[in-house]
Amino acid sequence: AQSVAQPEDQVNVAEGNPLTVKCTYSVSGNPYLFWYVQYPNRGLQFLLKYITGDNLVKGSYGFEAEFNKSQTSFHLKKPSALVSDSALYFCAVRDERDSNYQLIWGAGTKLIIKP
Amino acid sequence: GAGVSQSPSNKVTEKGKDVELRCDPISGHTALYWYRQRLGQGLEFLIYFQGNSAPDKSGLPSDRFSAERTGESVSTLTIQRTQQEDSAVYLCASSAMDDFGSTDTQYFGPGTRLTVL
Repeated sequence: AQSVAQPEDQVNVAEGNPLTVKCTYSVSGNPYLFWYVQYPNRGLQFLLKYITGDNLVKGSYGFEAEFNKSQTSFHLKKPSALVSDSALYFCAVRDERDSNYQLIWGAGTKLIIKP
Repeated sequence: GAGVSQSPSNKVTEKGKDVELRCDPISGHTALYWYRQRLGQGLEFLIYFQGNSAPDKSGLPSDRFSAERTGESVSTLTIQRTQQEDSAVYLCASSAMDDFGSTDTQYFGPGTRLTVL
């Protein structure tokens, strides 16, 4: 069965420090992987995706994510956190071979950046 | 260009009343999704439309929930005889088809916050 895990409910980082938000997945075939961010009282905004190609994917607002096939992970990273990065982050996956359009969503990780 | 829009942004209703939520997808996007997000929770899939195909209603929680979409344009989500447990943010997303014939990145609207008193 396809699944996504975001093992941390909350991540706390000091402003200026690097941040990592973890995501692991399980699919039968090759994964399509996505990260979205949700600011308070807002809809979800697309950050980045991995379909194929380079394992390091760069996205909006200085975020990047590294696809690691052996560890079945797609962790979200940023070299230097900003207070404005504080938000809820969702990871999602779909199996490349699956004609099903549905994304499997993680439960979300609340990122808190402290000044 | 214009993104996904939803209306109303907030809706307060009394238990037992019907409500109708509207979603305007990005122009040219053939796929449209409805999700529900309860406070502090993740996304719960409700229904999916793709072009003129029959919608996937597998996520609708009860027969009080229904949705319609005319062609590749506006969609409405209707909740009949609302219950307090229906209180949540209802999110709409749309996507295009990618080069491989699969649905591409989903783009979300701002959501409708429904409060059932």
